[in-house]
Parts: sequence; structure tokens; C-alpha cells
Amino acid sequence: RKEVEQDPGPFNVPEGATVAFNCTYSNSASQSFFWYRQDCRKEPKLLMSVYSSGNEDGRFTAQLNRASQYISLLIRDSKLSDSATYLCVVNGRSQGNLIFGKGTKLSVKP
Amino acid sequence: SQTIHQWPATLVQPVGSPLSLECTVEGTSNPNLYWYRQAAGRGLQLLFYSVGIGQISSEVPQNLSASRPQDRQFILSSKKLLLSDSGFYLCACPEKSGTQEKLFFGSGTQLSVL
Repeated sequence: RKEVEQDPGPFNVPEGATVAFNCTYSNSASQSFFWYRQDCRKEPKLLMSVYSSGNEDGRFTAQLNRASQYISLLIRDSKLSDSATYLCVVNGRSQGNLIFGKGTKLSVKP
Repeated sequence: SQTIHQWPATLVQPVGSPLSLECTVEGTSNPNLYWYRQAAGRGLQLLFYSVGIGQISSEVPQNLSASRPQDRQFILSSKKLLLSDSGFYLCACPEKSGTQEKLFFGSGTQLSVL
């Protein structure tokens, strides 16, 4: 099992749609979870942390299921500007090592 | 919060040529620093991390090396580039918030080895 797995997509959705991404991780001892957003040819930028109780930031909701070892990201009322690749990130086994998924590509169409 | 400077933004180099990518950090002292590579169709791979001047740890065997000559400077090098060294190179620095350590990236260098 890969350390962090994501559906690569692409997810092609119309403006205003709700879209959800899932991510699974293999290290049951992981304690830190994040979603990053990466635009084409740009650096990844932190979108939000993922907390055990679930957390929301505007149109974005992140959830963690430790028992099943997956995290999710829900985007409501999609905007054209949400088009990007979304990276699932989990802390790894060695010091300072964050493991990045390959990303899920989202394309929001008018 | 810190600012991470990376240059150049893009680089095209022939196979066998040397490489030097520089990363400098402002706004923090004694930071941990990381070099990641993102190859086409692949996730970010940690190449090196450094906890201080002269202290380098390598995560994967490779054709590259790293050095930390100053507290806020992290350099990625190669004596002879291979085609497989092509990729998007990112320098990163963590910022601790509560119990979580979040990673922030420089703007990256897109390296094409031809």
C-alpha cells in the first residue's frame, strides 16, 4: 500500500457544484494531516489542516477518519478559481518528513 | 512569518553539466530546511533536510548533494546532471502552529535536463 494515495482525477465539474476528494494513508501512527493546493507550475500552498473533529473554512470542509485511515476534502459552490491540483499530506515516519500524495486535479468549468 | 527565496525560476541544462540551486530564508532563525523534487506525474519527494549549518540528511540515494553554509542558506548541487534529474525543485521551511508543523515552500525551480 502506498503511503498516501489519491485519485488523480481529473474531476471536471460545473461552477456551483459540490465536489469531494478522498485520500488514504498507510501509517496508522500519523498525527498531522493537511490539504495543499497547487496551481500549474507553482509551489504547493497550504489550504487547510485536518483535525480529528473535522474542520471547515468557508466553502471547504476537511474530515479525518482514523479508523479507516482516510481524509477527505469537500468543496461547496465550486468557483472557476478552485481549478488546481489538491495534494493530500500526512506526516511520515522520519523527522520532519511530510508525505505528499500525487494530487487530485480539479477543473471547474463555466 | 518567513519568506523563502529560490532562484532561478527555470533552468535548462545539458546532461553532464553541473548544477547549483540556491534557497535563502528570511524572517526566522535556525530554521529546518528541506529540498523536495516533483517529477512529472509523481508526488513530491523529499531529497534532503537540514536542521542547522553543516547538518544534512539525505532521504534517498541520488545524483545530488546539498549544503548548508549559513543558517538561512540551503544549496542543492550536482557535479554532473542526468536526464532523470529533470523536475520541479522546491525548497521548504516549516512553521509550527500549536502541535502541528506546517510546511511552506519557495516558488520553485523548474529544471529541464536535455
